[in-house]
Amino acid sequence: AQSVTQLGSHVSVSEGALVLLRCNYSSSVPPYLFWYVQYPNQGLQLLLKYTSAATLVKGINGFEAEFKKSETSFHLTKPSAHMSDAAEYFCAVSGPNFGNEKLTFGTGTRLTIIP
Amino acid sequence: SQTIHQWPATLVQPVGSPLSLECTVEGTSNPNLYWYRQAAGRGLQLLFYSVGIGQISSEVPQNLSASRPQDRQFILSSKKLLLSDSGFYLCAWSVFGLRNTIYFGEGSWLTVV
Repeated sequence: AQSVTQLGSHVSVSEGALVLLRCNYSSSVPPYLFWYVQYPNQGLQLLLKYTSAATLVKGINGFEAEFKKSETSFHLTKPSAHMSDAAEYFCAVSGPNFGNEKLTFGTGTRLTIIP
Repeated sequence: SQTIHQWPATLVQPVGSPLSLECTVEGTSNPNLYWYRQAAGRGLQLLFYSVGIGQISSEVPQNLSASRPQDRQFILSSKKLLLSDSGFYLCAWSVFGLRNTIYFGEGSWLTVV
């Protein structure tokens, strides 16, 4: 069984400051890990994913995440926050079971950007 | 490229009325299809997934049902809606070989009154 825990349901940062959204996972098999972003009243958009290649993954909109097996973490970062980054962010995990992929999502972190 | 369409975008239905949400995927064959629900203040809950026509797996017991009459069509239904069925419903798809990546539609807001 797999699960993810997102620490902090709400995070506020000032415009131009570092964004750090935390995600810890639990998995009995080597995990695939994902970050999705959801803007108000919209579906989820894939930001980035880790699938056992490079541990530092770069995504869209300047975001990146680092897979740390020793810490069972996959935190999402962005060096400088922009007002357009205000959204809800979901971390998700799955196992490498080809043919019947299912993701388990965290409960989400709402990111607010302070002007 | 692949696209996913979901409709209606917004729906207000009285308690006890039926429900039908539809989803179609274009640009791919034999996708895995999913229905998720996102209730206010909560994360995403997987309701149903399908690996092929007529093959539906239910993750959570409820008064909702799903059907897959065609390869790229997925329908979420209810015979009698409950107040607790209100929420944001998301259809999604994935394909073998994309390393478990799931792509989502724009969602449907359902308010049961």
